Amino acid sequence: QSVLTQPPSVSGAPGQRVTISCTGSRSNIGAGYDVHWYLQLPGTAPKLLIYGNINRPSGVPDRFSGSKSGTSASLAITGLQAEDEADYYCQSYDSSLSGSVFGGGTKLTVL
Amino acid sequence: EVQLLESGGGLVQPGGSLRLSCAASGFTFSNYAMSWVRQAPGKGLEWVSAISGSSGSTFYADSMKGRFTISRDNSKNTLYLHMNSLRAEDTAIYYCAKLPSHYYGSGSYYFDYWGQGTLVTVSS
Repeated sequence: QSVLTQPPSVSGAPGQRVTISCTGSRSNIGAGYDVHWYLQLPGTAPKLLIYGNINRPSGVPDRFSGSKSGTSASLAITGLQAEDEADYYCQSYDSSLSGSVFGGGTKLTVL
Repeated sequence: EVQLLESGGGLVQPGGSLRLSCAASGFTFSNYAMSWVRQAPGKGLEWVSAISGSSGSTFYADSMKGRFTISRDNSKNTLYLHMNSLRAEDTAIYYCAKLPSHYYGSGSYYFDYWGQGTLVTVSS
């Protein structure tokens, strides 16, 4: 059971918009700690996608955007492309556990 | 270009020990905190441990405390994870990850670069 809760899977057709939610609690996201997002293509290492809730590292397309409100955060992907098919993870810090925590991951399928 | 190359994984019996290494290049290693994150087969990511750039502070997930020790040799640009009393549930790919800051602690820390990982299998 992950500290941060994500839907196991989402799907969308090419060109559509999908969102992935990440729900935490008062000891992590709700405490004001930032949320970060990672993309993991099959058989590869995770890659940073969004940091500090809304920021994209250099090279990440603006089709990817993040938001945070209260005890939750979301990742939105617009203009879905086949190459977006991957696992997506949210991550934050938890003051009760005194460490970084991840969501369980969401598998995005492009139909 | 930042590169992180893990090594040291393999098959180990329950109760055994293993030392993982992560060779870093492409950045001033001593200036940045580093971390280990693992992923069990078919499962999600799990944070394991972190260490500040100067090695002054170390941090562990509860299930690893007392069994795992993180360390670094800044003269060799290398991060280590010493793992003792290994259990079947420690079977995972272990990733080395760099933080964009010198410190790790109570804060909004994230991992900006990751290695390709090394597989640890604990089985008799």
